[in-house]
Amino acid sequence: KAGVTQTPRYLIKTRGQQVTLSCSPISGHRSVSWYQQTPGQGLQFLFEYFSETQRNKGNFPGRFSGRQFSNSRSEMNVSTLELGDSALYLCASSLAGTGVSGANVLTFGAGSRLTVL
Amino acid sequence: DAKTTQPTSMDCAEGRAANLPCNHSTISGNEYVYWYRQIHSQGPQYIIHGLKNNETNEMASLIITEDRKSSTLILPHATLRDTAVYYCIVRAKYNNNDMRFGAGTRLTVKP
Repeated sequence: KAGVTQTPRYLIKTRGQQVTLSCSPISGHRSVSWYQQTPGQGLQFLFEYFSETQRNKGNFPGRFSGRQFSNSRSEMNVSTLELGDSALYLCASSLAGTGVSGANVLTFGAGSRLTVL
Repeated sequence: DAKTTQPTSMDCAEGRAANLPCNHSTISGNEYVYWYRQIHSQGPQYIIHGLKNNETNEMASLIITEDRKSSTLILPHATLRDTAVYYCIVRAKYNNNDMRFGAGTRLTVKP
């Protein structure tokens, strides 16, 4: 079955612009989580969506937002881009979301590499 | 939140077993141990997970100590393609997708 698909794979923006990244989860997965990865901070959790609702949020400013559609596809948006937003943005999907018992394996996409100039 | 400690880097000869240790001394009773790996510029790849019993799949084996304070990921016959950063993660909260990735272990498989 198809994996997690993220688009675009690479993009370049300038400071002050905004960007929208897209994630299509594995078919049947209802939970989508977003992570930011930078060389200095490693992988950091941004937020999680389940059934179109944000279930959990990491420690990022309000410039970072997301949403999930009824087909479980998700988008994240970063407004007023800063140089420090340059990173690999990873999306991961899973069957279950927060609060469901048992193991919960996240499957990651290849990521969207954002460069802010 | 439970935290993990892993060696920064390890080397392994091609064809030999790679044993990657992880300490998670503050793990709670209902928390799982997950292992992921990340090859340069790709998304993390799931390897294996376990609660208290040892686990094996087509990629690796996971050995968890009886007190659950540490675990070892075993790649039985390492190949050059296994060169990657390996992350040991204990899920932060009850089935919370806020998975806390540490710095991981950079495994280099050498010919």
